[in-house]
Amino acid sequence: EAQVTQNPRYLITVTGKKLTVTCSQNMNHEYMSWYRQDPGLGLRQIYYSMNVEVTDKGDVPEGYKVSRKEKRNFPLILESPSPNQTSLYFCASSSTGVIAKNIQYFGAGTRLSVL
Amino acid sequence: ELKVEQNPLFLSMQEGKNYTIYCNYSTTSDRLYWYRQDPGKSLESLFVLLSNGAVKQEGRLMASLDTKARLSTLHITAAVHDLSATYFCAGRPNSGYALNFGKGTSLLVTP
Repeated sequence: EAQVTQNPRYLITVTGKKLTVTCSQNMNHEYMSWYRQDPGLGLRQIYYSMNVEVTDKGDVPEGYKVSRKEKRNFPLILESPSPNQTSLYFCASSSTGVIAKNIQYFGAGTRLSVL
Repeated sequence: ELKVEQNPLFLSMQEGKNYTIYCNYSTTSDRLYWYRQDPGKSLESLFVLLSNGAVKQEGRLMASLDTKARLSTLHITAAVHDLSATYFCAGRPNSGYALNFGKGTSLLVTP
């Protein structure tokens, strides 16, 4: 089954404790992205990756890091989480081929609370 | 940067009624997407609109794109309770693959 898998689904942590949210897709997609969703703000892009070893900042990259060492994985790293990073996070992936229409497929989401 | 503005942000409508959600975007884009999100769930792709004049329909939902007006609409026909959800439109600039989302329209269909 084609899917984007995020882990963990729920996470409560404390300020300053490094954490990683994993994202994996099994569709051989080139493009992967991280979004955060906050009430009243819609989804805002954090980082994206066009392919292995190619990443770029989205609209709200401060406080986050990413890496793309393998095509299927795109982890999101919070080196020193702060309460304003409490949010719902989504990973998404898409093919960049024309036929695929670049539809982004989303993971189930990770709800993060930073105390 | 492509900015996307949806309205209304909240919509309460009776079953059986029709309504339209509007999505305006700020710069040239040839790809407009509509997503649905149920409470506590992820986003599900509804429509992909790839050219001016594109119209897609699925059940009681119909989406259209006017690239000259930089406007997409999602029309709901004879609403039913199952359509209650949040609907997002997202645009992709002609260069690049990032999606810029609107803030979403929270739709509640009541008996």
